[in-house]
Amino acid sequence: EVQLVESGGGLVQPGGSLRLSCAASGFTFSNFWMHWVRQVPGKGLVWVSRLNNDGSSPSYADSVKGRFTISRDNAKNTLYLEMNSLRAEDTALYYCAREIGCIGGNCYPEYFQHWGQGTLVTVSS
Amino acid sequence: EIVLTQSPATLSLSPGERATLSCRASQSVSSHLAWYQQKPGQAPRLLIYDASNRATGIPARFSGSGSGTDFTLTISSLEPEDFAVYYCQQRGNWLLTFGPGTKVDIK
Repeated sequence: EVQLVESGGGLVQPGGSLRLSCAASGFTFSNFWMHWVRQVPGKGLVWVSRLNNDGSSPSYADSVKGRFTISRDNAKNTLYLEMNSLRAEDTALYYCAREIGCIGGNCYPEYFQHWGQGTLVTVSS
Repeated sequence: EIVLTQSPATLSLSPGERATLSCRASQSVSSHLAWYQQKPGQAPRLLIYDASNRATGIPARFSGSGSGTDFTLTISSLEPEDFAVYYCQQRGNWLLTFGPGTKVDIK
């Protein structure tokens, strides 16, 4: 069974930093693209960042570019999100999500098949 | 950035009725659109990818259609567990975006 377990959220002051982790199990982690998606409670979903399977090609939403860094340790089956210069508007539940993978010779790296339960980040003084 | 617009914002229906949800993109995304269901306190669940392909384990009452800028999610006969918020998401370009959601609630 695929499991994604996020951790590292909490309360941080504006301008502060946090590092989120996502521990993956139940699949070959190094074969899949991974993503971070956030959601303000009661609001919609916002894609934050993605990382390809070998970690060589990260991408970011404009709202976090230059402040957040996505990375992965395939030996530890873990995805990370380093968040710096945090702002009040970064307050949200942060989900890690796994792509679908390849089906019948077609690959779908940018749809989210599996999700964790999220970790809450609150940026407030 | 490709903007997705969903309508209606809220759909009030009874169990057994047909639900038709719309998602419109600000520019063509070809068939690169997915639908997700989210219930309160839960993570989203992938229903449909590439406009019309049901994800693993998704019941046949869920179907998707459309291409270019106009897409539809249809739930043929609502079950009690289908009352939830539904989001569309595009991967037409590198910047992935979601629609604002349609809430399907019990009439």
